[in-house]
Amino acid sequence: KNEVEQSPQNLTAQEGEFITINCSYSVGISALHWLQQHPGGGIVSLFMLSSGKKKHGRLIATINIQEKHSSLHITASHPRDSAVYICAVPKSSGDKLTFGTGTRLAVRP
Amino acid sequence: EPEVTQTPSHQVTQMGQEVILRCVPISNHLYFYWYRQILGQKVEFLVSFYNNEISEKSEIFDDQFSVERPDGSNFTLKIRSTKLEDSAMYFCASREGSLNGYTFGSGTRLTVV
Repeated sequence: KNEVEQSPQNLTAQEGEFITINCSYSVGISALHWLQQHPGGGIVSLFMLSSGKKKHGRLIATINIQEKHSSLHITASHPRDSAVYICAVPKSSGDKLTFGTGTRLAVRP
Repeated sequence: EPEVTQTPSHQVTQMGQEVILRCVPISNHLYFYWYRQILGQKVEFLVSFYNNEISEKSEIFDDQFSVERPDGSNFTLKIRSTKLEDSAMYFCASREGSLNGYTFGSGTRLTVV
């Protein structure tokens, strides 16, 4: 069984701030997923990473496999970044995902 | 960009009724999934489907649930006799291969009354 812990649960930021969301998991994995859930409920995949760092626009995801920890960073945050950010990892057997509880981000103008 | 399409976006049904939630995965994807999210809770795995059969299912996926890929494009989730606790957002997802990322549909909000 693989547990996924995210922090913080809620985050409020001013527009332009640098944001960090953290994710820890309990067992070894092949890859970790960062997802964004919009207020309407839809889920968008942001990153899948198994080592190092990935960047897409203002979003950066890093992972430390030895420490079982990943971070999602948002640079120059904007109100349109307001969403729930979810970390998910495969179960120890198989490829189904175990989801974290999510971090609800609100970016104020 | 290719999308996973889910219909309907919202369905209200009476307890005990059968519902079918429909999904059209991306055409060259081989792995298909259903997840659900009860309001205010985490997303939970229901079932995975590969090579025309269920590859894995969770404890939630009891004999009231079934999945089908009837025509090579649609991927459906059927709940035979809905309960109040089946009210949730149901997400379909697909991936091209086991090492690829997931693409999620926009979800079907099921309300059982």
